[in-house]
Parts: sequence; C-alpha cells; structure tokens
Amino acid sequence: AGLTQPPSVSKGLRQTATLTCTGNSNNVGNDGAAWLQQHQARPPKLLSYRNDNRPSGISERFSTSRSGNTASLTISGLQPEDEADYYCSAWDHSLSAWVFGGGTKLTVL
Amino acid sequence: EVQLVESGGGVVQPGGSLRLSCAASGFTFDNYVMNWVRQVPGKGLEWVSLINGDGSDTKYADSVKGRFTISRDNSKNSLFLQMNGLRTEDTALYYCANKRPGWPYGIEVWGQGTMVTVS
Repeated sequence: AGLTQPPSVSKGLRQTATLTCTGNSNNVGNDGAAWLQQHQARPPKLLSYRNDNRPSGISERFSTSRSGNTASLTISGLQPEDEADYYCSAWDHSLSAWVFGGGTKLTVL
Repeated sequence: EVQLVESGGGVVQPGGSLRLSCAASGFTFDNYVMNWVRQVPGKGLEWVSLINGDGSDTKYADSVKGRFTISRDNSKNSLFLQMNGLRTEDTALYYCANKRPGWPYGIEVWGQGTMVTVS
C-alpha cells in the first residue's frame, strides 16, 4: 500500500528533472505528499511540505506540485550535489499510517 | 539547532528484545509528534510508529503491531521504542524523526539512526 516512484532518473548537468509519486485518494490525493532527499549514508532531509511549500533553507530549485493522486518534484538547474535518492511520503487516512514511495535514484550526468 | 540522537541498537537473536532511545534537543519536544522510521541498508524507508505530543495517541505499522511499543518521556525530552519478538526482517537502521502536528507538515528532522540486527 505504498506510493509508486520510478526507480531511477538520469539527467544532464544544468538540466531539469521531474520525479513522480503516485498514490491514491486516501493519501496523496487527499492532502498531498512531502518530499525527502537522501544522500548516500546520510539521514533523509525534508525538501517540501505537503502543501508544496519548502522548509527554511531549501533551495528554490526544488519545486513540487500535485495533480489528483500524483505528486511531482521538479529540480531545475541540476547540480552534482543533487545526485541522491528522493522519497515521497504521505499520510494514509485509511491505514492511519505514513506511507513512503520506494524512492527514485537521481543520477546527474 | 535541532538534534535527535538514537541509541540502543545492536545484535539480537530472533525472538529477542531491544529498547531504542532517542534524545531530543533544540526544539519544544512536547509540541511535536515523534516517529520511528526504519531503513534496510540500500533499500527504502518504512514508517514504524508515531506518538503524539502528550503520549495519548500512538500508531503502528501493521508489520510491527503487537510487538513494538512506542513511548516518550517529555520531562527528559526522550523517545523510546520497545521491540519484542524480533524477527530477521526487523533488521534495519532505525531513525527517530520529528513532525509538527497536523497538515501540511511532513516528517521533518531525522537523527543519524541506530542499527538493529536480528540474527
């Protein structure tokens, strides 16, 4: 009952990458998804709240949106340090539980 | 600075028990929902449990329900996870993480994690 993310995305330096996260009406479609970035051997870092706002200190290059049951994370002007795993998360109202996507590994070529 | 420091991980045999702790600092602890999230090295994130600010409400993932118990001591800014009946599939890095109550907040600040190995 988790969220669905593509396992990998590859884009070139300074390009734009869009990562998707598909859930259902009980989670993403209800009140959105939050996005997290995780570098190798590091804890996750919150990139966006479920209303598409960013926590303090997060670059404007990271933007999020939602259409129905699918949330998207767009990273513009890709930099080498953007190479990481990206996870979406949402509260599932039918499970009364947080659910995560399987993660997308972003490679910056 | 917000800090979360987990401890208590280790190696335990199947069927055994462990108690994880998380020491919090840098924020008003009892204003926050606290979570445990685990991650098998090289794999994805799995939410385990949460407890609300005053400890009156708890939630668990189906995979741990009836075996794990989350608790907190607001006087000591500490979060705990009592893990009983451990299984090999519980082997993972366990993160403590905070979250402001309600929408639109997400699971926000994460500790470094403590490794639990069931073998």
